[in-house]
Amino acid sequence: GQQVMQIPQYQHVQEGEDFTTYCNSSTTLSNIQWYKQRPGGHPVFLIQLVKSGEVKKQKRLTFQFGEAKKNSSLHITATQTTDVGTYFCAGAGTYKYIFGTGTRLKVLA
Amino acid sequence: DTGVSQNPRHKITKRGQNVTFRCDPISEHNRLYWYRQTLGQGPEFLTYFQNEAQLEKSRLLSDRFSAERPKGSFSTLEIQRTEQGDSAMYLCASSQGPGRRTEAFFGQGTRLTVV
Repeated sequence: GQQVMQIPQYQHVQEGEDFTTYCNSSTTLSNIQWYKQRPGGHPVFLIQLVKSGEVKKQKRLTFQFGEAKKNSSLHITATQTTDVGTYFCAGAGTYKYIFGTGTRLKVLA
Repeated sequence: DTGVSQNPRHKITKRGQNVTFRCDPISEHNRLYWYRQTLGQGPEFLTYFQNEAQLEKSRLLSDRFSAERPKGSFSTLEIQRTEQGDSAMYLCASSQGPGRRTEAFFGQGTRLTVV
């Protein structure tokens, strides 16, 4: 079945450093979504990417969808303590989204 | 509050007991999902409803799990003869579709502990 993997599993950065998480799917995706889950919270939608090679920005966050629509990345510039949490990508299946394994980000002040 | 509501927030049950969780989606959303999440893992898909029709059910789900969505509104997830391995956070999400933007809105989840 379809699998979605993310690396790294954990990332500790100093506040102000950049952060990147990578998402890889075993199959071509029609679209991909990114979610953020704060400790003790529930996943919250960040963005959806649909087109091959698409790049979207939200303030300090940059999202990219690969040309082959099998991988994606999330890059955070100049991390802040508010960026702490686990970032999940979710690949679209027929009726559902398959969530990746997540990257847990810790920002050290 | 117009978000996804789940009840109860926490449930502790003895092994072998049955439990039922409820999810009230965002009112105009026709799609409803149940996911299960264990510590350090991503949400794992359980089942999907479009209106009242259950269109997909994970093969990982044993016969002890059943979900309903009568009248296409709220949904219930029942686990029969609970086992310790069922301990997890059960998340409900809803979305509106079809359409280009189909983000899922998650509820706060029901944390199940089987002792």
